[in-house]
Amino acid sequence: GAGVSQTPSNKVTEKGKYVELRCDPISGHTALYWYRQSLGQGPEFLIYFQGTGAADDSGLPNDRFFAVRPEGSVSTLKIQRTERGDSAVYLCASSSGTGRKYNEQFFGPGTRLTVL
Amino acid sequence: AQTVTQSQPEMSVQEAETVTLSCTYDTSESDYYLFWYKQPPSRQMILVIRQEAYKQQNATENRFSVNFQKAAKSFSLKISDSQLGDAAMYFCAYRARAGGTSYGKLTFGQGTILTVHP
Repeated sequence: GAGVSQTPSNKVTEKGKYVELRCDPISGHTALYWYRQSLGQGPEFLIYFQGTGAADDSGLPNDRFFAVRPEGSVSTLKIQRTERGDSAVYLCASSSGTGRKYNEQFFGPGTRLTVL
Repeated sequence: AQTVTQSQPEMSVQEAETVTLSCTYDTSESDYYLFWYKQPPSRQMILVIRQEAYKQQNATENRFSVNFQKAAKSFSLKISDSQLGDAAMYFCAYRARAGGTSYGKLTFGQGTILTVHP
């Protein structure tokens, strides 16, 4: 597709359940980012990948959160034992690279996660 | 750690008028980018304008311009000839330009909701 896509667009789950959120970056983009946006707040960085490897996972809040990008394209954010505080919009972005050269991050429409 | 602060939770403007959104940031780095993003209700984050810290000239993009004051760590967005389609949440964001493992990530402010009155 032409842009970053995320599925599902909305996800409702119960406390304690496991969820997976998917991100399809723009074709050819090597860098991929996950952000979390709580209601009325700015996005907060979670993790970014350069290729298949997580270059920086310092924003993951705890060990219930995990993300993978096994083939350097699609990424999945996995949340175990969900809590009500995990409710937020999860945004994914991709760019053609990182480094000194400017590479714009293009954002997807996000997945709204609601934990009941 | 870098921080970005937007002190105006909400702003409003009349159609065709000019409005300025404020942003301050804190960083110990000298080489970085600053951005303004627009987020309409569709949630899609759209880049409005960017500024390289090493450039003294303020960036402009059509009706959008910035006032970048590096010493004061201030970065405001001016929207001229406001249009109804400008109504959205606006975020100021920072990104380090080089160095370290986390220079790709964006640090966002809390956002300013802009309402445009016809």
